[in-house]
Amino acid sequence: AQSVTQPDIHITVSEGASLELRCNYSYGATPYLFWYVQSPGQGLQLLLKYFSGDTLVQGIKGFEAEFKRSQSSFNLRKPSVHWSDAAEYFCAVGGSLAAGNKLTFGGGTRVLVKP
Amino acid sequence: DSGVTQTPKHLITATGQRVTLRCSPRSGDLSVYWYQQSLDQGLQFLIQYYNGEERAKGNILERFSAQQFPDLHSELNLSSLELGDSALYFCASTSENTGELFFGEGSRLTVL
Repeated sequence: AQSVTQPDIHITVSEGASLELRCNYSYGATPYLFWYVQSPGQGLQLLLKYFSGDTLVQGIKGFEAEFKRSQSSFNLRKPSVHWSDAAEYFCAVGGSLAAGNKLTFGGGTRVLVKP
Repeated sequence: DSGVTQTPKHLITATGQRVTLRCSPRSGDLSVYWYQQSLDQGLQFLIQYYNGEERAKGNILERFSAQQFPDLHSELNLSSLELGDSALYFCASTSENTGELFFGEGSRLTVL
């Protein structure tokens, strides 16, 4: 069975500080990994995805994530947080959607940004 | 704007009632997924359709059903509603080219 764990339910960070959100996954084959962001009252927006290749992937809004197979992790980072980054972040794992696989989401990490 | 449209955005109803949530996928996307987001369960996969056929089923209750029509829009039917069905229901679509899910803004269901 596939699963995702996001150990941190809430994170508070000061504006301009760096941010790292943890994600650990369990998947029986080569994983397809995603980070989504959800602002209040909004749907989920894709930040970045990893299918294969370079283990450091760049996404939108200045976010990046690193895939570490040995640690079954896909942590999300941003060097300098802006107030607009306050939102809930979801890590997801699955197989190829083209092959009909589904995504399993973690419980989410809510990020609060202090001025 | 993801291109996925969900209606209604908000719905308030009573226990025992039945509601239908509608989803129009992005133009050209054949695959539609339904997810339920609640405070205690998080984001749970309910069901997936591909070009009108059910492709995968997740934690969907027997009181819930879904279908995808020839024009590719999808409907999620929730019946005999209980208080615990109150949640945000998301529809997402994907094309085989992008390999990612595009989410609608969700339908917030409140059961009183």
